Amino acid sequence: DTEVTQTPKHLVMGMTNKKSLKCEQHMGHRAMYWYKQKAKKPPELMFVYSYEKLSINESVPSRFSPECPNSSLLNLHLHALQPEDSALYLCASSQGGGRRGEAFFGQGTRLTVV
Amino acid sequence: KQEVTQIPAALSVPEGENLVLNCSFTDSAIYNLQWFRQDPGKGLTSLLLIQSSQREQTSGRLNASLDKSSGRSTLYIAASQPGDSATYLCAVNRNNAGNMLTFGGGTRLMVKP
Repeated sequence: DTEVTQTPKHLVMGMTNKKSLKCEQHMGHRAMYWYKQKAKKPPELMFVYSYEKLSINESVPSRFSPECPNSSLLNLHLHALQPEDSALYLCASSQGGGRRGEAFFGQGTRLTVV
Repeated sequence: KQEVTQIPAALSVPEGENLVLNCSFTDSAIYNLQWFRQDPGKGLTSLLLIQSSQREQTSGRLNASLDKSSGRSTLYIAASQPGDSATYLCAVNRNNAGNMLTFGGGTRLMVKP
């Protein structure tokens, strides 16, 4: 099973709302990632979790708050977002780097901020 | 800073043609390179992963090559089908401990019946 599951598939939120995106994988992968993809652009890395600890934050604004409750789950908490934050948010996982470095992506959450 | 470029940005071919998608990167210090497929509004599907020490990987009608020293990779699709229509993305991994991918802008492929 090479599946990464993201919920919800679509989300519309106001600028004062608080919401969360969820990601789950059961491949035993120890690294999980959040990417952001704007329309007609390639994905850009936001956060990297390795062994449930945040290892990389690509200078993401604090209105995005990641959380890794356990090795299978990854959340992205959203608060006070702006309309320009509207994008496809992709979660990915991998066993690690080197020969184990193949990344598997979920179907994404389409976020619209109004 | 690593930059990844894909040429062409868009490609339209008749069914049955063999085609080549190109990917170039500016920093040859990569750990691996991965090719993905993305359908409109969907996530990414992994097609092939090439380690930095490898020259080639094959999966079915797909063949990917890597010339790390010159900063180039190609994805060869044999006998294209309408179902191959999608955006193809290459991504280089700049971290050996994890998977920090830098993506190219993609090639939008349309295969006409």
